[in-house]
Amino acid sequence: DTGVSQNPRHKITKRGQNVTFRCDPISEHNRLYWYRQTLGQGPEFLTYFQNEAQLEKSRLLSDRFSAERPKGSFSTLEIQRTEQGDSAMYLCASSFDLGVSGEKLFFGSGTQLSVL
Amino acid sequence: QKEVEQNSGPLSVPEGAIASLNCTYSDRGSQSFFWYRQYSGKSPELIMFIYSNGDKEDGRFTAQLNKASQYVSLLIRDSQPSDSATYLCATSGGGFKTIFGAGTRLFVKA
Repeated sequence: DTGVSQNPRHKITKRGQNVTFRCDPISEHNRLYWYRQTLGQGPEFLTYFQNEAQLEKSRLLSDRFSAERPKGSFSTLEIQRTEQGDSAMYLCASSFDLGVSGEKLFFGSGTQLSVL
Repeated sequence: QKEVEQNSGPLSVPEGAIASLNCTYSDRGSQSFFWYRQYSGKSPELIMFIYSNGDKEDGRFTAQLNKASQYVSLLIRDSQPSDSATYLCATSGGGFKTIFGAGTRLFVKA
């Protein structure tokens, strides 16, 4: 178990540019989540996948954001035409099923995005 | 109204004391409740989960759930400086989406 891996760790970009982040989940986990976290706030749900199917997207997520999980393995999150308000830590998590208790999320180290 | 509400703190307790962290939630469909700990500059990690009314104990940690009052709490006994972190309360309903509160910062003074 090598944990959830995210790349890059840091990304600095200029407003209006496109950025793409990658997440490699724990191999035996079939659900994968993307969250966004800003300073002093908890993680905010963005979207999640079960295998390769994207099952839910946050209503707060604009159409500039798109996520994919080809073949149910790694996932990418793309932000087009970045804005300064997109600056945040983007966290990926994969989950272990606890049965009736819900599921345990394992988080990656995150990608810190700074939009100048 | 936020779905999960927590006092942002900071909550400061002396070493060896009991730290009490509280959380309320708005969705009565919530079925599972979690406490994640997040050290500064690190990612959240799960420390407790509970889905039945009452108390659940694990070492120095006790989670308490009252679904009628839509209230969840976490007690940390014999608090240590290493417990200083942000504690995130989270819930999930029938689906597989975990919703987090803003977190409570805890400082344990040596």
